[in-house]
Amino acid sequence: QLQLQESGPGLVKPSETLSLTCTVSGGSISSSSYYWGWIRQPPGKGLEWIGSIYYSGSTYYNPSLKSRVTISVDTSKNQFSLKLSSVTAADTAVYYCYTEGDSPWGQGTLVTVSS
Amino acid sequence: DIQMTQSPSSLSASVGDRVTITCQASQDISNYLNWYQQKPGKAPKLLIYDASNLETGVPSRFSGSGSGTDFTFTISSLQPEDIATYYCQQYDNLPPVLTFGGGTKVEIK
Repeated sequence: QLQLQESGPGLVKPSETLSLTCTVSGGSISSSSYYWGWIRQPPGKGLEWIGSIYYSGSTYYNPSLKSRVTISVDTSKNQFSLKLSSVTAADTAVYYCYTEGDSPWGQGTLVTVSS
Repeated sequence: DIQMTQSPSSLSASVGDRVTITCQASQDISNYLNWYQQKPGKAPKLLIYDASNLETGVPSRFSGSGSGTDFTFTISSLQPEDIATYYCQQYDNLPPVLTFGGGTKVEIK
């Protein structure tokens, strides 16, 4: 099984861009015909799919976030990343990275949007 | 867009009880449905995939059934360690879109 680990700032100011990275271990991100993605969970609430990217680079985003989201892959570092622009308090959440299949999600990282 | 309606949103049951959670899709999703367990402070854990297949290492008291639009998740004999929130998740591979139900919080009576 692949292992995924999120990293990035835990505090972001309103109107700025949230940036997170997911590091993949136990396999190469470019040799797997998987897709890689992000899910978030506001405190005390349910799960929301943000988007995903195929190893080929094709991206798919939640329509409600599409205008603010960019997901990319860095094969040289075996990582994929999330950028969410123009954040507000409503973007405060635990952000999880995941991949296709039965590999466990990352442990999650809490990002708080506050000045 | 496909919507997933999960019920109930919470339930309280005694140890040993049979617990059932339902999930309804707004359109036919075949068997493209997973069930996850989430304990406080932890990432969701896959229990059931493709509607009825038990993930390796998951106790056999957990089961899933259904296809098309109506799905059921069952704990045959509730244990104290099963206290958690459970989510259904619909998935498409082309494109790779996920949709979650609202979750069911299971508590011990």
